[in-house]
Amino acid sequence: QVQLVDSGGGVVQPGRSLRLSCAASGFIFNNYAMNWVRQAPGKGLEWVAVISYDGGNKYYADSVKGRFTISRDNSQNTVYLQMNSLRAEDTALYYCVKGGAAPGLPVDYWGQGTLVTVSS
Amino acid sequence: DIQMTQSPSSLSASVGDRVTITCRASQRISNYLAWFQQKPGKAPKSLIYAASSLQSGVPSKFSGSGSGTDFTLTISSLQSEDSATYYCQQYNDYPWTFGQGTKVEIK
Repeated sequence: QVQLVDSGGGVVQPGRSLRLSCAASGFIFNNYAMNWVRQAPGKGLEWVAVISYDGGNKYYADSVKGRFTISRDNSQNTVYLQMNSLRAEDTALYYCVKGGAAPGLPVDYWGQGTLVTVSS
Repeated sequence: DIQMTQSPSSLSASVGDRVTITCRASQRISNYLAWFQQKPGKAPKSLIYAASSLQSGVPSKFSGSGSGTDFTLTISSLQSEDSATYYCQQYNDYPWTFGQGTKVEIK
């Protein structure tokens, strides 16, 4: 069965960096796009970024463009989110989400989320 | 960016009721519309994609319809386990965007 295990969250000061990881299993990882979606405490869902199956195409939300970088290691079945210049408004639960065989196809499976708190 | 607007923001209904949630896109998105269910303290669960196709394992009491700008999610016979927040999401164009959510409560 598909499993996505998110990790790497924590408490970090504004302006600092953090890298999230998502370990995938139960499907052919290098056939599928992968996404990150976040949810601020008590708020709705916000899509953050997507990476194509081979890492060749990436798209970002305007709110994180230039600060966050999505990447993947298909040999390790892992997707990453490098978050730099963190702000208080980046505080959220970050979910790794499995996409389709191309970036424009819908998502299906979600990880359990990893909490990022940006605070001094 | 494409704005997604859900209505109502919340609703309360009885067990056995038929419940309908509406999602409107600020521009045409064909049928590139998904629905998700999120229970308190849990990750979202994918219910529907392509406006009306059920994800694997989702019970048939859930159905979706619509195309263009107007979409609906219907729960045919509400049960206690359906108490959750429901989100629509467009994947016609980046950035992908979600509706603000509809909280469904049981009377």
